[in-house]
Formats: sequence, structure tokens, C-alpha cells
Amino acid sequence: KQEVTQIPAALSVPEGENLVLNCSFTDSAIYNLQWFRQDPGKGLTSLLLIQSSQREQTSGRLNASLDKSSGRSTLYIAASQPGDSATYLCAVRQETSGSRLTFGEGTQLTVNP
Amino acid sequence: DAGITQSPRHKVTETGTPVTLRCHQTENHRYMYWYRQDPGHGLRLIHYSYGVKDTDKGEVSDGYSVSRSKTEDFLLTLESATSSQTSVYFCAISDPRRVETQYFGPGTRLLVL
Repeated sequence: KQEVTQIPAALSVPEGENLVLNCSFTDSAIYNLQWFRQDPGKGLTSLLLIQSSQREQTSGRLNASLDKSSGRSTLYIAASQPGDSATYLCAVRQETSGSRLTFGEGTQLTVNP
Repeated sequence: DAGITQSPRHKVTETGTPVTLRCHQTENHRYMYWYRQDPGHGLRLIHYSYGVKDTDKGEVSDGYSVSRSKTEDFLLTLESATSSQTSVYFCAISDPRRVETQYFGPGTRLLVL
């Protein structure tokens, strides 16, 4: 059974800092990995999706990397802003699970002005 | 934002009563999902549908049933609500023929007393 772990569970940084969020998974037979953002009381919004054959994806100040063989992904946020404060979740889609996703518990990020 | 609505958005009910949550989409996506989100567990898949009248169980399906009679609507029913079903419920949609990611609704907060 796939297990997804995110470290740290919570992170507080000053504005402008570069930061890294970590995601690890136990079964490397994944089809893709996604990073989502969740604001308090809201649903999830997809940020980046990395196919299993890819090493990284970038969108603006966000860069996600994937090391499938070691079961790890990182989300790098450059020049953090207070508006980046949210919970960030990673989710993996297995090669054999159809479109179903397995989620980590998330990292709650607070960026202080 | 993807056209996904959930109703009701908030509900308080008593143990033993039936509850039905509705997810409605305007995107004509083929797949629909019900998740629950709880502290310490993250998001867990309850049931999903891969077409009208085609549904399957997720990892936490006990005590829940679903129905999908139209592409746009996916209903989640708690036949006899229990306090352990107090949670935030999210609906999501996807269509692998078009896009890889899942789009999430705003959530329904359910309290079972």
C-alpha cells in the first residue's frame, strides 16, 4: 500500500526566504506526482504535476522535482510572500490505480511579513 | 476555476440519521471522486465514479454509498450517520482524456452529534 509522507508538518518563515517542502512515497511505481495548495476553508488547487519520466516542473516561483527511484519529491518556493501562506499537499498516482490519488497530510506554511 | 459545486456547504445532523451530499459539475468530466479530510489522515478516497452508473470503492468506503445517474451529479449518502463520519468532504473531478489533474470542489463540513 502506498504511503505518502510530508515533512515538515508546519513551517514558518520570514517574507523573501527561499524554502523547500518535502514529500516521500514508499512505492516508486508511480505514474505521476502532483503538488496542490489548500487555503483555509477551501478546496485544493493543483500547482504542478510531474510525470514519472520527468525530473522537474516549474511554474513561476515554484519548482517541483521528482526522484522516482528514491521515492522523493521537493517543492521549492522562491522569494516567499505572505500570499504563499497555505497548506501544501503532494499526491501520487500509481501506475496500477487508474486515476486514484494517494495524498500526504500536507505542510502548513506561514510566511510572515 | 472548474465548475464544481457542493451542497450543502455545512450540515449538522444527529447520529443515526441519513445524510446525502451532492456534487455538481458543469465541466462534463468523466471521473468524479468523494474524499474526506481529517486531521492526522489527510485526504482519503471514499468512492469514485468513472462514468454514469459506474462506481467503485476507495480506501474508506464503509458506511458510505454513492450514486451517479447523470454525468454532472455525484451523490454521497451516509445511510446512518455516526460521529466518526464528522469530517470535511470534498468532491473532485477529472477527465484523463483531456487533463491529468483533479479539480476540487469547495468542500462540505459535516458535524454528526
